[in-house]
Amino acid sequence: GPKVLQIPSHQIIDMGQMVTLNCDPVSNHLYFYWYKQILGQQMEFLVNFYNGKVMEKSKLFKDQFSVERPDGSYFTLKIQPTALEDSAVYFCASSLQPNERLFFGHGTKLSVL
Amino acid sequence: GEQVEQRPPHLSVREGDSAFITCTYTDPNSYYFFWYKQEPGASLQLLMKVFSSTEINEGQGFTVLLNKKDKQLSLNLTAAHPGDSAAYFCAVSASGGNYKPTFGKGTSLVVHP
Repeated sequence: GPKVLQIPSHQIIDMGQMVTLNCDPVSNHLYFYWYKQILGQQMEFLVNFYNGKVMEKSKLFKDQFSVERPDGSYFTLKIQPTALEDSAVYFCASSLQPNERLFFGHGTKLSVL
Repeated sequence: GEQVEQRPPHLSVREGDSAFITCTYTDPNSYYFFWYKQEPGASLQLLMKVFSSTEINEGQGFTVLLNKKDKQLSLNLTAAHPGDSAAYFCAVSASGGNYKPTFGKGTSLVVHP
């Protein structure tokens, strides 16, 4: 079936550095999402994106976070600078239409030291 | 905004027993309901999408109940087997507005042989 690819699967960086998480969504999907999962349990909404714009972002989406999808390529989440509390698994998801099922990637585990 | 409370956070059953997970949501405008399954180290996979108009939804080896009066969404795994061991997440979204599914905190299910 359709797949969402996330690169890398694991990223280890020092606090204060910049990190970019990459997501290759399902090719014809139009809606994109980032979720943050802590301790393998809680899945929290960060941001959703449509037509080149952020639709909505949560309180977790700090000023240090940004998203973009340049030229219809990867949908990226950039964190600059990173903080210790940013350590988590970040899941990218996409959907064709609003209120349709989300297709999730396998996640990027971010470890901030 | 929408709040979704999922219980229990952890569930351990024996093979052949039923496993019952409930989500209680707050937004009366909630219209789309989903159950996702996340196996260890894997991404979330859709188990079932439930429409607001359907109270009882039968899947393969499970039943999803929607009680709009009490704002509850339930997943009942009948005759659970070890392959059902995973984390289960409900997701809820309202019609209209920015599509932003709100997830429950998840239930970690372990099915013992």
